[in-house]
Amino acid sequence: DAGVIQSPRHEVTEMGQEVTLRCKPISGHDYLFWYRQTMMRGLELLIYFNNNVPIDDSGMPEDRFSAKMPNASFSTLKIQPSEPRDSAVYFCASSPRGGATDTQYFGPGTRLTVL
Amino acid sequence: KNQVEQSPQSLIILEGKNCTLQCNYTVSPFSNLRWYKQDTGRGPVSLTIMTFSENTKSNGRYTATLDADTKQSSLHITASQLSDSASYICVVSAGYGGSQGNLIFGKGTKLSVKP
Repeated sequence: DAGVIQSPRHEVTEMGQEVTLRCKPISGHDYLFWYRQTMMRGLELLIYFNNNVPIDDSGMPEDRFSAKMPNASFSTLKIQPSEPRDSAVYFCASSPRGGATDTQYFGPGTRLTVL
Repeated sequence: KNQVEQSPQSLIILEGKNCTLQCNYTVSPFSNLRWYKQDTGRGPVSLTIMTFSENTKSNGRYTATLDADTKQSSLHITASQLSDSASYICVVSAGYGGSQGNLIFGKGTKLSVKP
């Protein structure tokens, strides 16, 4: 299995532009998670899906952030408009089930820089 | 407030030496505790997951301990190797029954193993 796939790996954009990050989870995994990682705050859960349905988006920082999962093999995280404080590494992770002891498998991340 | 504190923030050791990383948490109700290893430029990879009833769990040269009474966990690395250089993140899951949507992340300990 190729693992969780994220694209792009690096994104540099200017303030005010729209940014779309993409994720392909491991086939057969029912749960998909979006995280943001910064030096100051560490890893933060933004939103997660179960069977393509958003379950909890309370971690989404503001309305500029949105996430979709149109099918079991694809999800996007969109920031519109982007701001310099959005600069971070964004990770997507998937899990076979959402059970307490199930392992999450992380993708390689997208490093976003907003100038 | 649910919190996970890790110490030290960073650590430098010589190859072949042992080391212990600490994690203190104030999370209620406690479901389980995980240790992740994150190599530079990569996503976190799960090392161990421990539930309330487990005191010790090993994964090769990595041994995690959990004291639910004092709300402390440690990760012991034996006979360190250069490839152990990474950040180690302690993650506590809150909630009865558990789901992966309520994970509280520590900020990690950055370990450098020198030859």
